[in-house]
Amino acid sequence: DTGVSQNPRHKITKRGQNVTFRCDPISEHNRLYWYRQTLGQGPEFLTYFQNEAQLEKSRLLSDRFSAERPKGSFSTLEIQRTEQGDSAMYLCASSPWPAGGQYFGPGTRLTVT
Amino acid sequence: DAKTTQPNSMESNEEEPVHLPCNHSTISGTDYIHWYRQLPSQGPEYVIHGLTSNVNNRMASLAIAEDRKSSTLILHRATLRDAAVYYCILGDLYGNKLVFGAGTILRVKS
Repeated sequence: DTGVSQNPRHKITKRGQNVTFRCDPISEHNRLYWYRQTLGQGPEFLTYFQNEAQLEKSRLLSDRFSAERPKGSFSTLEIQRTEQGDSAMYLCASSPWPAGGQYFGPGTRLTVT
Repeated sequence: DAKTTQPNSMESNEEEPVHLPCNHSTISGTDYIHWYRQLPSQGPEYVIHGLTSNVNNRMASLAIAEDRKSSTLILHRATLRDAAVYYCILGDLYGNKLVFGAGTILRVKS
């Protein structure tokens, strides 16, 4: 088991472009979470899935953000019409709910120029 | 969400014990205390969690005050690899939907 993986690790894009990130959770983990982290702050919860169902979305997740987990395995997070304020580290985590603990990936660092 | 308060930063010498405090005066009876840490350029990793009794695992110990309004994460012998941001988080048993604060930056001196 190689842990949670995220791709790409780094993304530089111009304002107004769309970006998509991918998260591959630990196999058989039924819950998958997305967080956003800006410099000097702790991660902020964005959304989470149980299998393919998106169970909760934070108010931070504006209409420009969409997340999917179509087959209950990998997940994608898309940001449309990126803004400079979207620059952050996007973290994915998975968990074998109801067993405890979240296992985080290394994150995707997004820079919007 | 119940809030926790942690010092912004702490410093320790290598191979000495480290006590990282966390205040959570508004904790509810069903809130578990979870600790995660984030090493530089990595995602957070689970450290330990507990409800009322003190807890030990291979990474650390968690001491919980009798009134549960505070807790302390104890690293018994700090190493350079323990330099990280440590987050104290209140949540359910399974650590669902974690709400992170700014955490405590731990610096370890050799």
